[in-house]
Amino acid sequence: AQKITQTQPGMFVQEKEAVTLDCTYDTSDPSYGLFWYKQPSSGEMIFLIYQGSYDQQNATEGRYSLNFQKARKSANLVISASQLGDSAMYFCAMRGMNTNAGKSTFGDGTTLTVKP
Amino acid sequence: DGGITQSPKYLFRKEGQNVTLSCEQNLNHDAMYWYRQDPGQGLRLIYYSQIVNDFQKGDIAEGYSVSREKKESFPLTVTSAQKNPTAFYLCASSGGASSSYNEQFFGPGTRLTVL
Repeated sequence: AQKITQTQPGMFVQEKEAVTLDCTYDTSDPSYGLFWYKQPSSGEMIFLIYQGSYDQQNATEGRYSLNFQKARKSANLVISASQLGDSAMYFCAMRGMNTNAGKSTFGDGTTLTVKP
Repeated sequence: DGGITQSPKYLFRKEGQNVTLSCEQNLNHDAMYWYRQDPGQGLRLIYYSQIVNDFQKGDIAEGYSVSREKKESFPLTVTSAQKNPTAFYLCASSGGASSSYNEQFFGPGTRLTVL
């Protein structure tokens, strides 16, 4: 079994400041991938960043970085220099490679609001 | 352009009727997925398919059925057995389900409303 927990239903951040969205996970697979997606009000799902369970370095993609702490089973998303267009729902997800090969699990999401 | 198409965008159904949601991809991806999303909530996996002619139940498969006769197509049927089918349905694909290193690409979704 695998599970994703996002404990922040809603977050507010001032424009140009950084914000961290929390994600913890649980899985029986020794090898897995962790993903973050953004969903604007239009409903489309936009891939942001990926972290492999055996990657030594934390993933970064532009203003997005993933703070991966394997021992704590956490994969927090950090957005630097927030922009008004970052207001959306954010989902953490994982996919296993062994017992749960091919099966994706998403968290309940965090709604981020960027204030001008 | 490569991508995933879902049709229709909005769908209305009367209680007791079966309805089929279309999902087509031209990305040459092996794996395809169906998710359900209720308002303000996350995505829940209905069915997924790693190769043609094979598929597995996700977390909420009851009341749904799928087929995977072609690599590019993965239609979802919402049957009358699904007690609360009103939701937003998202289809996705990824390059290879055996690898965790492929992000999923999503279609624009279908909003199903039962009248």
